[in-house]
Order: sequence, then structure tokens, then C-alpha cells
Amino acid sequence: GAVVSQHPSWVICKSGTSVKIECRSLDFQATTMFWYRQFPKQSLMLMATSNEGSKATYEQGVEKDKFLINHASLTLSTLTVTSAHPEDSSFYICSARGQGNEAFFGQGTRLTVV
Amino acid sequence: LAKTTQPISMDSYEGQEVNITCSHNNIATNDYITWYQQFPSQGPRFIIQGYKTKVTNEVASLFIPADRKSSTLSLPRVSLSDTAVYYCLVGEPYNTDKLIFGTGTRLQVFP
Repeated sequence: GAVVSQHPSWVICKSGTSVKIECRSLDFQATTMFWYRQFPKQSLMLMATSNEGSKATYEQGVEKDKFLINHASLTLSTLTVTSAHPEDSSFYICSARGQGNEAFFGQGTRLTVV
Repeated sequence: LAKTTQPISMDSYEGQEVNITCSHNNIATNDYITWYQQFPSQGPRFIIQGYKTKVTNEVASLFIPADRKSSTLSLPRVSLSDTAVYYCLVGEPYNTDKLIFGTGTRLQVFP
């Protein structure tokens, strides 16, 4: 199946710094990408939907100025957590949807803010 | 997207068949039913997708009754490695609409 690669797999950063997470579709063009966050033993919570070349659509309660999403090409979307705080520590997952029936997920990024 | 309801958790033993049912009473005409599997600290992985009746692949079967208001994921002869969370989603394919995850079913397989 299609491959979606997320980088980094894990990151530890200091409180107040920014962290960028990349999501790449390796063998298909992703017109739409989704960003999720997941807390321990909870389901995936959709944060935002990004379409190539346009602004992301954020879900209610998600701060767009804190979670910056850029979808500059059909194979790359980035999520930047700005001024990270310990409560931002979570598992972040991206998903890419091409022209087919299914969405493909990255392996996730474990963010720990200390 | 249609809301889905699944059991929170299920237990099984190795070698048994496991059936996980998902309710989606408000499923729309163009919606498909898709099941994903997630292991700890990994992204979800596609298992199977169907529209009606029965779909089978190398890892699972999906049973969908005529009214399509529910579906059942069947895992034959589970092993310890099938311990994971299983999510049922409904939505229209070839659509950029967002994917909303429900609570999922946490399957624990014992030896």
C-alpha cells in the first residue's frame, strides 16, 4: 500500500520552544492531509485538515496560531507546535488521502515537552 | 460523517475467532465502512473496507447487513499480535471529507 512517512518519530523539547513535524506521502500525491493528536488510552482527535495550496481548516478548540500547518506541496505537510508547553506533550499523527478509497497514516510523532 | 458506536473493550484467547460490531445508524447512501487497527505508539493501519454484504481479505472479513446500520469485523484465529485497538469509520470515499475516529475497541488477546 501507499506509504506516509512522519518525521521525527519522537522529539523532546524545552518549554517555550517550537517543534516542526513533517508528513510526507512517499509514492502518491496527497491532495488532503489530516493532523491528529492522541493522548494515552484515548482515540485520535482530529486537529485540522489541510489541502495543498490553501489554508488549513482547524477543528473547534484547536488554536491555529499555536499549531501552524503548512501544506506547500502534494507530498508534504508540516505541523509546527509553537511555544510548546508540557500540556502539548502528546502523540501526533498525520494522515494523507490521495485519489483512492482509503487514508494512509504516518507512524506518529511522540512529542515530550519538558 | 456518521457517528459510530463500538464496544470499549473485548478479551479473547489465541486461536479464537473475534467479532467486533460497530453501529452506524445514520450511515448515508454513499458511505463506505472502513476498519483500522492501531498498535501502541503507531499510526492506524487499514484493515478492510466494504459497502454491503461481505468482504474478505487475507486478514479479516467484514459483514454488513442489508440495512447497513451496523457492521461486524471478524478476525479468524487471533494471535497475541492481534492485541490492538480497532476503529470503525464510515464515510464517502473519493472525498476529502475529514476522518473522525470514535472510541475504538481495545482487543486483548490472551495466551
